[in-house]
Amino acid sequence: EAGVAQSPRYKIIEKRQSVAFWCNPISGHATLYWYQQILGQGPKLLIQFQNNGVVDDSQLPKDRFSAERLKGVDSTLKIQPAKLEDSAVYLCASSSTGRNTIYFGEGSWLTVV
Amino acid sequence: DQQVKQNSPSLSVQEGRISILNCDYTNSMFDYFLWYKKYPAEGPTFLISISSIKDKNEDGRFTVFLNKSAKHLSLHIVPSQPGDSAVYFCAARTDNYGQNFVFGPGTRLSVLP
Repeated sequence: EAGVAQSPRYKIIEKRQSVAFWCNPISGHATLYWYQQILGQGPKLLIQFQNNGVVDDSQLPKDRFSAERLKGVDSTLKIQPAKLEDSAVYLCASSSTGRNTIYFGEGSWLTVV
Repeated sequence: DQQVKQNSPSLSVQEGRISILNCDYTNSMFDYFLWYKKYPAEGPTFLISISSIKDKNEDGRFTVFLNKSAKHLSLHIVPSQPGDSAVYFCAARTDNYGQNFVFGPGTRLSVLP
């Protein structure tokens, strides 16, 4: 079974530029998460989707971050404009309905300079 | 305000000995807990979980203990191996239906040969 796929793995941009990350969850997983992990901290939930609907986006900085999950499968997380403090690993994860385990991708490493 | 705390940023253990990683949580409504292991440049991988109806769960060399009254859980690794060197995250499920998880800041375990 293929795992959670993310791209790009690494991205370096200048502040005020934009960036987009893509995620393909494990096949059949209805729930998709985007987490932000800053160096030395644990993953922090940005947004959670159930199929193509948003379950929780309370910690998403909506003035600069946006995410969508069209057709309830792939998802894209966008940051525009980026700030220095957005430098982090962006982790996509998925889980199956009714299961209590979430599975992470390898992450997309963002450096904002 | 951290809901899940891992107060030891790092831990060093000799190969063959026991590693004990600790985790505390603040909300007595949390009812399901997971441990993840993370190697550098990789996403977190699921290790072991425990439901609040249990006080112990074992999987090979890994055992998780839950003390609900103290709002404390611990992960025991016996015997520790150099390949166990990684960052370990404790996570708690914040609600019964949304599969929403909050993570601790992690403990870096180094197993010395």
